[in-house]
Amino acid sequence: EAQVTQNPRYLITVTGKKLTVTCSQNMNHEYMSWYRQDPGLGLRQIYYSMNVEVTDKGDVPEGYKVSRKEKRNFPLILESPSPNQTSLYFCASSLGLGTYNEQFFGPGTRLTVL
Amino acid sequence: AQSVAQPEDQVNVAEGNPLTVKCTYSVSGNPYLFWYVQYPNRGLQFLLKYITGDNLVKGSYGFEAEFNKSQTSFHLKKPSALVSDSALYFCAVRDKGSTLGRLYFGRGTQLTVWP
Repeated sequence: EAQVTQNPRYLITVTGKKLTVTCSQNMNHEYMSWYRQDPGLGLRQIYYSMNVEVTDKGDVPEGYKVSRKEKRNFPLILESPSPNQTSLYFCASSLGLGTYNEQFFGPGTRLTVL
Repeated sequence: AQSVAQPEDQVNVAEGNPLTVKCTYSVSGNPYLFWYVQYPNRGLQFLLKYITGDNLVKGSYGFEAEFNKSQTSFHLKKPSALVSDSALYFCAVRDKGSTLGRLYFGRGTQLTVWP
């Protein structure tokens, strides 16, 4: 089944404790992206990647890191999480670099930083 | 700059009635436009998109959307709403001329269909 998977689905942590949210897709998509969803703000892009070793900042990259060492994986790293990073996070992927391709979304990771 | 506006936070409609969820956009060039739906505790699912050609596009679950270039709108419609259509709907836009894959989302509209 074609899908985007994220782990963990739920995470409660404390300020300053490094964490990684994994994202993997099995569709051989070139493009991958991370979003955060907050009430009243919709989805805001954190980082995106056009291909292996090619990443760039989205609208809200502060406090986050990403890497794209393999085509299928695009982990999101929070080196020192803070309470304002409490949010619902989505990973997405799409075929090629074509801007007309729809994105496939993972199920989401709900992160709470205390 | 690219942006999307969904002027209504909530839309309520009775089952069997037509529904419209509004979306307006702003891009520097020509747009690619998308609608996504999010059911509770789920990720976003693609509904439909406008790339070029016919201004009326049809998508999943009986939804359709009309691209209006002069009004820079891309409203989502369905002739007869179902209770199961209740969900959060997002409009998104991308500039055709952009070489980047970035997608810009609206804030979302909560659709409630009551029996």
